[in-house]
Amino acid sequence: EAGVAQSPRYKIIEKRQSVAFWCNPISGHATLYWYQQILGQGPKLLIQFQNNGVVDDSQLPKDRFSAERLKGVDSTLKIQPAKLEDSAVYLCASSPQQGALPGELFFGEGSRLTVL
Amino acid sequence: AQSVTQLGSHVSVSEGALVLLRCNYSSSVPPYLFWYVQYPNQGLQLLLKYTSAATLVKGINGFEAEFKKSETSFHLTKPSAHMSDAAEYFCAVNSGYSTLTFGKGTMLLVSP
Repeated sequence: EAGVAQSPRYKIIEKRQSVAFWCNPISGHATLYWYQQILGQGPKLLIQFQNNGVVDDSQLPKDRFSAERLKGVDSTLKIQPAKLEDSAVYLCASSPQQGALPGELFFGEGSRLTVL
Repeated sequence: AQSVTQLGSHVSVSEGALVLLRCNYSSSVPPYLFWYVQYPNQGLQLLLKYTSAATLVKGINGFEAEFKKSETSFHLTKPSAHMSDAAEYFCAVNSGYSTLTFGKGTMLLVSP
């Protein structure tokens, strides 16, 4: 079974530029999450999708971050304009609608963003 | 509200020694508890999970954790550390909310 795919793995941009990250979850997984992991901290949820609807985006900085999950499959997370403090690893995770506990997530390898 | 506190940002052990990583949680309802492991430049991988079926939970790679309600703890242990266990470990809690809350992580260093 293929895992969660993310791209790009690494991205370096200057502040005020824009960047987009892509995620393809495990086939059949209805729930998709984007987490932000700043160095030295645990992952923090940015947004959660159930199919193509948003379940929780309370911690998403909506003035600069946006995310979409068209057709309920893959997802894109965009940052525009980027700030220095956005330097982090952006983790995508998915979970099936049935048969998994709340919190039992399958993670991709992450996209590391460096903002200069 | 739910939260997790991991005591010690770094833990160093010798190969073959006992591993003990501490986690305390706060939850207003009976929680689901998890330990995830993150190897360098990789995503998080589920190590084990507590689902209220048994207080002592066994996971992959010889790790186990014990749920102690009276102490609100879910410490992770392994009897004998291997070099390959060097990684960052995250405790996480879900109290029936839709989101998973992670601790800040503990880096395990294993020396020969």
